[in-house]
Amino acid sequence: GIQVEQSPPDLILQEGANSTLRCNFSDSVNNLQWFHQNPWGQLINLFYIPSGTKQNGRLSATTVATERYSLLYISSSQTTDSGVYFCAVVSNYQLIWGAGTKLIIKP
Amino acid sequence: DAGVIQSPRHEVTEMGQEVTLRCKPISGHNSLFWYRQTMMRGLELLIYFNNNVPIDDSGMPEDRFSAKMPNASFSTLKIQPSEPRDSAVYFCASSFGTTNEKLFFGSGTQLSVL
Repeated sequence: GIQVEQSPPDLILQEGANSTLRCNFSDSVNNLQWFHQNPWGQLINLFYIPSGTKQNGRLSATTVATERYSLLYISSSQTTDSGVYFCAVVSNYQLIWGAGTKLIIKP
Repeated sequence: DAGVIQSPRHEVTEMGQEVTLRCKPISGHNSLFWYRQTMMRGLELLIYFNNNVPIDDSGMPEDRFSAKMPNASFSTLKIQPSEPRDSAVYFCASSFGTTNEKLFFGSGTQLSVL
C-alpha cells in the first residue's frame, strides 16, 4: 500500500522562526490534506491541497503531485503553532496518515 | 455551522460497562468516520459510513465494538463490554461526498476504562 513519510519527526524552534515540514508519499494520490493537532488534542484541517500552492495567513502549503511530496511552511512561528502536524493522502477510498511532525515553539 | 459535535468529551467507566459515544456530523456532509487515537498506534480508522451505510468496518477491533448511523445527523459508537485497553481518544469526522473531500474532526471523546 501507499506509504506516507513525514519529516522531521520533531522540531523545536524559537518564537518568530520559520519552518518547513515535509510529507513524501510513495504513489499517486487523489488528494492530500494537512492537519494540526494542538496540545489540547483538537485536530484542525489546515489545507486540502492535491496540487499547487495555497496560503492561509502565516501558513502556506505546496504539493508537487508529480514528484510525490508536499511542504507546509510556517512563518513567524507563535507558541500557539505548537502541536503535531499530520499529512494524509487518499489511496483507494482510505485516508492514509503520516506519523506526524511534533513542533514545539519556545517563547 | 457548529462543526462536528461529539459527546461526551470525557468518559470514565469501569471494565465491563457499556460505553456509548455520540456524534453529530456537519449538516450536509454524507461521509462519517470514527477514529481512535492512542500513543502506541496513532490514528486508526475504525469505521466509515457513506450516506448512512457502513462502507468499511475492517478497523473495528472486535465484536465488542459496534457503530450505527440511523440518520444523516447522528451516529453512535458502542463498546460492550469495555476493557482497559479500549482507553483512548475517539474522534468522529465528517466530509462532504466521499473520502476524497476535506475532512473535519470533532473535539474527540477521551475514554478511560478502569
